[in-house]
Amino acid sequence: GAVVSQHPSRVICKSGTSVKIECRSLDFQATTMFWYRQFPKQSLMLMATSNEGSKATYEQGVEKDKFLINHASLTLSTLTVTSAHPEDSSFYICSASQTNYGYTFGSGTRLTVV
Amino acid sequence: GIQVEQSPPDLILQEGANSTLRCNFSDSVNNLQWFHQNPWGQLINLFYIPSGTKQNGRLSATTVATERYSLLYISSSQTTDSGVYFCAVAYTNAGKSTFGDGTTLTVKP
Repeated sequence: GAVVSQHPSRVICKSGTSVKIECRSLDFQATTMFWYRQFPKQSLMLMATSNEGSKATYEQGVEKDKFLINHASLTLSTLTVTSAHPEDSSFYICSASQTNYGYTFGSGTRLTVV
Repeated sequence: GIQVEQSPPDLILQEGANSTLRCNFSDSVNNLQWFHQNPWGQLINLFYIPSGTKQNGRLSATTVATERYSLLYISSSQTTDSGVYFCAVAYTNAGKSTFGDGTTLTVKP
């Protein structure tokens, strides 16, 4: 089946620094990947759609300069949280889809900004 | 956008009991999935089921697309079934998904 690898699983960073999260489709090509954010005891909120070779599409209210997305290849999308602040602390998770198989999610990244 | 409602929000069961989780959605969709989020946050794909019925061991799911709902059945529940169950829908197979708020299942030994 489809496998999506996400790295790192946990990261602690200092306020003001940037953090990069990687999302890879291991056994299939993904022209489109999705980035979600999840607050404790809440559902997943779509942040942006990552498109290979073109600019990401951000959902309303998501700052594109704060959350930089790059989808440079058919198997890799990255999310960079720039100048992170404590309010950016959250669980970030990516997904990719395959026809007739649906979406497969990465294992998520728990970001803590101190 | 699509509205997704899941019920019940919380469910507590004794081990061995059966349960039914429901997902209602507000528009026609071509993609519907059920996920289980374990305590570590990992989302496990249970079923890709835009229509029809599927079974996998103790779990089964049915989607009635014309009536815009899906049901997830868990039989002979085990403590390892505990976690949050999400329903997610999308207009297309490769389009963005909208998640319901989830059902938190607790199975007690």
